[in-house]
Amino acid sequence: EVQLVESGGGLVQPGRSLKLSCVASGFTFNNYWMTWIRQAPGKGLEWVASITNTGGSTYYPDSVKGRFTISRDNAKSTLYLQMNSLRSEDTATYYCTSMDAWGQGASVTVSS
Amino acid sequence: DVVLTQTPPTLSATIGQSVSISCRSSQSLLDSDGDTYLNWLLQRPGQSPQLLIYSVSNLESGVPNRFSGSGSETDFTLKISGVEAEDLGVYYCMQATHAPFTFGSGTKLEIK
Repeated sequence: EVQLVESGGGLVQPGRSLKLSCVASGFTFNNYWMTWIRQAPGKGLEWVASITNTGGSTYYPDSVKGRFTISRDNAKSTLYLQMNSLRSEDTATYYCTSMDAWGQGASVTVSS
Repeated sequence: DVVLTQTPPTLSATIGQSVSISCRSSQSLLDSDGDTYLNWLLQRPGQSPQLLIYSVSNLESGVPNRFSGSGSETDFTLKISGVEAEDLGVYYCMQATHAPFTFGSGTKLEIK
């Protein structure tokens, strides 16, 4: 069974950092591009970051570029999202996805 | 950035009715590799999104064939031929041809 399990979410103060992890199982992780997508409370979906299957290239929208870093460890079948300089507008549920499989989401709340 | 305009924003259907959702792009989604990276997702209440259709018209594995996608360039449609109760939720189109990848604002399907 294909599974993506996120962890690392929580409550954090503005300006601080948080790192999300996503452990994959049930498929050949190193064959897939991976992506983080977020959803603010009551809102739609927003692309956050993508990484190629080898980890050689990464892509970000302007809203997180320079603050967030996506990475992966193919030996551990794990995807990461390092989030620095967090802002209130980063409050959301963060989904790890290969597009054909999605995690259950990790909740991140940025508030003082 | 590519803007995806989804209509209608809400849809009310009876069981067995056929419905369509439109997704119009502010620019062509035909990639230089010849593919068109327009996907359709469904997010059921309280759940993570799931992929229904990829590259305009390809049905994701396990998705019922009452779902179909069509279109080209800037104009795309998701059709449900015979709505079932489990189809309720919010439908999103998403483009992955041009960075930043973007989503439509969603169409909420309600069952009468």
